[in-house]
Amino acid sequence: DQQVKQNSPSLSVQEGRISILNCDYTNSMFDYFLWYKKYPAEGPTFLISISSIKDKNEDGRFTVFLNKSAKHLSLHIVPSQPGDSAVYFCAASAFSGGSNYKLTFGKGTLLTVNP
Amino acid sequence: ETGVTQSPTHLIKTRGQQVTLRCSSQSGHNTVSWYQQALGQGPQFIFQYYREEENGRGNFPPRFSGLQFPNYSSELNVNALELDDSALYLCASSGTKVPGANVLTFGAGSRLTVL
Repeated sequence: DQQVKQNSPSLSVQEGRISILNCDYTNSMFDYFLWYKKYPAEGPTFLISISSIKDKNEDGRFTVFLNKSAKHLSLHIVPSQPGDSAVYFCAASAFSGGSNYKLTFGKGTLLTVNP
Repeated sequence: ETGVTQSPTHLIKTRGQQVTLRCSSQSGHNTVSWYQQALGQGPQFIFQYYREEENGRGNFPPRFSGLQFPNYSSELNVNALELDDSALYLCASSGTKVPGANVLTFGAGSRLTVL
């Protein structure tokens, strides 16, 4: 039972354009969401997060949008750069619930930004 | 500030053997979590240690066990290895035991192959 789903295994965009990575979740107890980026042979690195009390969080070129009613979040990267090419993981935590010690990850989306 | 370091980076074992993976936390972090990332999957939570005690556990059998030491470093032990244990094992540290509030810092992982 996958509680965090990233339905697009891969995404390819041109440099300078917008990249939109999507994530859906099923557990209504999730109240904190994070995006991690992973390069080959490295561990995942934190990118941006959002609390369920917000619908948008922005950090430079990266913006995360949360639609609680649809149980959907998305990561927008504008403008996309070749160095953004990596696997992006969506993760969720039940911050105020009984399992607030762990993150539940999606399977990841491989983003390729072409020069 | 040193990050999370893991050893060994790669290892090969045969079915039925035992393995110990090691992790040094980021300076100042008192909580360690372990995740298993199988090929094509997102990281899956194994367990978390806080102040040398297990603070939460995912859906993994008892042959997966761990330790946290007074200096906050940690070990993951897997007994009676099975072929499906082949995966990347990620260690992550954080400043508190609630990952939603404090970002997890991941190591590069230990790649285990079971033959």
